[in-house]
Amino acid sequence: GAVVSQHPSWVICKSGTSVKIECRSLDFQATTMFWYRQFPKQSLMLMATSNEGSKATYEQGVEKDKFLINHASLTLSTLTVTSAHPEDSSFYICSARVHLNGQGSSGNTIYFGEGSWLTVV
Amino acid sequence: QKEVEQDPGPLSVPEGAIVSLNCTYSNSAFQYFMWYRQYSRKGPELLMYTYSSGNKEDGRFTAQVDKSSKYISLFIRDSQPSDSATYLCAMRLSGGYNKLIFGAGTRLAVHP
Repeated sequence: GAVVSQHPSWVICKSGTSVKIECRSLDFQATTMFWYRQFPKQSLMLMATSNEGSKATYEQGVEKDKFLINHASLTLSTLTVTSAHPEDSSFYICSARVHLNGQGSSGNTIYFGEGSWLTVV
Repeated sequence: QKEVEQDPGPLSVPEGAIVSLNCTYSNSAFQYFMWYRQYSRKGPELLMYTYSSGNKEDGRFTAQVDKSSKYISLFIRDSQPSDSATYLCAMRLSGGYNKLIFGAGTRLAVHP
């Protein structure tokens, strides 16, 4: 399957600082990437859809000024958590849409990165 | 009512058992169905991808979609301790750019 790389895997930052998480598609070009947040023992919560060369589309209730998303190239999207607070501590996962051969224009699925654990102290 | 319902478990089975994992959904317009496996503290890994109704088999895994009942299943044959993980069903509408809707995930434990 397609490979999505996420970095860093673990990060600890002080309250009030900002932290950046990178998501890269290693063997394909991803025009669309997604950022999720996951709390322990819960399912994935979509935060935003990141489109290359344009502004991200945020889900309802997600603060766009706090979670800055940039998708400057076809292989890289970044999530910056600004002025982080302890309640922002979570598991953040990116994913990328991959078009599947022979499936027509609708045939695509989502591959995930390994996730990034953020702890704000 | 959630769009996708999935029993969170946990489900505990002995090694070698056949495991059945299920999701129900309310939106009859869903056309694409996926199963992901997520190990603790890792990102989800795509296991199965199916379009519309029918069965799909890949090794020990079989995915079934019954659109008339709005019910999807994942079967794991000859389960192994390494299959212990959370299994997430996901689905989306037709059209290439619709977002995935996830179930809550079922925690599976396969004990030796």
